[in-house]
Amino acid sequence: AQTVTQSQPEMSVQEAETVTLSCTYDTSENNYYLFWYKQPPSRQMILVIRQEAYKQQNATENRFSVNFQKAAKSFSLKISDSQLGDTAMYFCAFMYNNNDMRFGAGTRLTVKP
Amino acid sequence: GAVVSQHPSWVICKSGTSVKIECRSLDFQATTMFWYRQFPKQSLMLMATSNEGSKATYEQGVEKDKFLINHASLTLSTLTVTSAHPEDSSFYICSARDQRWTFNQPQHFGDGTRLSIL
Repeated sequence: AQTVTQSQPEMSVQEAETVTLSCTYDTSENNYYLFWYKQPPSRQMILVIRQEAYKQQNATENRFSVNFQKAAKSFSLKISDSQLGDTAMYFCAFMYNNNDMRFGAGTRLTVKP
Repeated sequence: GAVVSQHPSWVICKSGTSVKIECRSLDFQATTMFWYRQFPKQSLMLMATSNEGSKATYEQGVEKDKFLINHASLTLSTLTVTSAHPEDSSFYICSARDQRWTFNQPQHFGDGTRLSIL
C-alpha cells in the first residue's frame, strides 16, 4: 500500500521569504505521479504543482518548485517570495496508473505580514 | 476549465434522517468519481471509488450500507448518508476523473459539502 507522510503539521513564514514543506512517500511502484494541493480556508482543493516520477527534472510553477528525490522517496515543495494568499493547508498526494489519489496529513502554512 | 458541481454546500439535519449529496461533472464525462471525508484540520480520507455503471469500491472501514454511492451516469454520482448520526458530521468532498484524464489535471474536485447532524 502506498503511504504519504507529511511530518510538519504547522509552519509559518514571513511574507516575501522562502519556505519548504516536506513530504515522503512509500511505494513499490516505479512509475507514478506526485502532486501538491493547496486548500485555503474556503476548502477548495487547488492543484499547485505536479511531478511525473520518470522525469528527473524538478517541476516548477512560478514561485512554486519541488525537490524530487526518487531514491529517497522525497517530494518537498518550496514556495519562494511567500505571499499572504499562500496561507492554507498544503497536501502532498501520490497516484499511480489510473488509481485513486492518496493524501498526506497536510501542513498548515501561515504567511505572516 | 472543467468544473465539478457539488450540492448542497451545507446541510443541517436531524439525527436519523438520510442525506443525499450530489456530484456533477459539468463539461466532461467522468468515468470515475471519488468520495472523500475530511474532519477538521485533518486530511482527505478516501471513502470510496465509483465507476459509472458499476458498484462502488469502498475503503476498509467504510460502511457500505451507511454510505450509499450511486454513479448512474457519466456526469453524476451521489452519496447518501443513511440514518445519519452526529458522528457522521464532517466535510465531504467529491472529485471526478475525466475519461481522458491527463497528468495536468488528474482529478477535478468539488467544493465540498459540510454536513452537520443535530
